[in-house]
Amino acid sequence: RKEVEQDPGPFNVPEGATVAFNCTYSNSASQSFFWYRQDCRKEPKLLMSVYSSGNEDGRFTAQLNRASQYISLLIRDSKLSDSATYLCVVLTFNQAGTALIFGKGTTLSVSS
Amino acid sequence: GAGVSQSPSNKVTEKGKDVELRCDPISGHTALYWYRQSLGQGLEFLIYFQGNSAPDKSGLPSDRFSAERTGGSVSTLTIQRTQQEDSAVYLCASSLTGSGNTIYFGEGSWLTVV
Repeated sequence: RKEVEQDPGPFNVPEGATVAFNCTYSNSASQSFFWYRQDCRKEPKLLMSVYSSGNEDGRFTAQLNRASQYISLLIRDSKLSDSATYLCVVLTFNQAGTALIFGKGTTLSVSS
Repeated sequence: GAGVSQSPSNKVTEKGKDVELRCDPISGHTALYWYRQSLGQGLEFLIYFQGNSAPDKSGLPSDRFSAERTGGSVSTLTIQRTQQEDSAVYLCASSLTGSGNTIYFGEGSWLTVV
């Protein structure tokens, strides 16, 4: 099982749609969780951290389920500008120190 | 600016030549990461520096790759005897510490080996 797994997509949705991405992680000792957004040929940028209680930032809602070891990202009222790749990121402590594990990303394409 | 700075932004080199890529992390950040991303692929971990601890080199793909971090700040990634499969964008990131803080990425160094 891969350490961090995401459905690569692509998710093709119309403007205004609600779309949800899931991510699973294998290490139950993982400490911190993030969603990053990466535009084509650009560096990843933090979208939001994921807290155990769930957190919301405008149209974006992130949730963490430690028991099932998955993280989700919900995007409501999709905009054309939301088209990007969304990376699930898990921070884990291992023997070497801190390991930052990236999923391969889920591609979202929003069309008019 | 105050972000992670990488240079060069673009580099074209001939197969067999050595290249050096530089990363200047955000001031005060003790954790520094190097990743590689080939076109259309996910991020591949290369190496991680945390303060004065020994770096985690577990991601370096071969002994042609090495990295150092001088004075706990600037880092240099060196690729010796470059091969065409080394062509990728090399991304540097830093965070305040290695334990749960936000990771900020530089814009990357785009390497093309011809």
